[in-house]
Amino acid sequence: AQSVTQLGSHVSVSEGALVLLRCNYSSSVPPYLFWYVQYPNQGLQLLLKYTSAATLVKGINGFEAEFKKSETSFHLTKPSAHMSDAAEYFCAVSRKAAGNKLTFGGGTRVLVKP
Amino acid sequence: DAGITQSPRHKVTETGTPVTLRCHQTENHRYMYWYRQDPGHGLRLIHYSYGVKDTDKGEVSDGYSVSRSKTEDFLLTLESATSSQTSVYFCAINGLAGGDEQFFGPGTRLTVL
Repeated sequence: AQSVTQLGSHVSVSEGALVLLRCNYSSSVPPYLFWYVQYPNQGLQLLLKYTSAATLVKGINGFEAEFKKSETSFHLTKPSAHMSDAAEYFCAVSRKAAGNKLTFGGGTRVLVKP
Repeated sequence: DAGITQSPRHKVTETGTPVTLRCHQTENHRYMYWYRQDPGHGLRLIHYSYGVKDTDKGEVSDGYSVSRSKTEDFLLTLESATSSQTSVYFCAINGLAGGDEQFFGPGTRLTVL
């Protein structure tokens, strides 16, 4: 079985500061890993994905994530927060052999302070 | 944007009534999924489909049924709605251009009184 843990349900950062969102996963086989973002009253939008190519993955809006197999982690970072980054972020894992079903973490809501 | 629509977008219903939510895609993708979103739980898979008339249960399937008679449509039915099924429901389809990501519809907010 797969599971995803996101540390911290709420994160507050100052505009211009580093954004760091933590995600740890468990999976019996090499997984596919994703970060999605959800803006208020909207659906989910893919930020980036890891599918066994480069371990450092760059996504949209200046975000990136690093896959660390030894730590079973896939933390999301952005060097400088912008007000528009205020949203909820979800880490998810899937396995192609399992119909690409996604297992999500509980989500982290980011508040950006001016 | 992936061609995924959901209807209705908002619905209020009463306990014990049947409810059907519709997901429609224009991408001709084989895989379709229904998730529910609740605070603190992220999204949880209800049911998914890997082809016309081919469906399987997800993590939280009790109280829900699905049907897929055409590639483009995936229906989620609550046979007898309960207050615990108040949630936001998202449909998703498998990725585009050979990717493995899922693309999500805009969601349906369902309130069961």
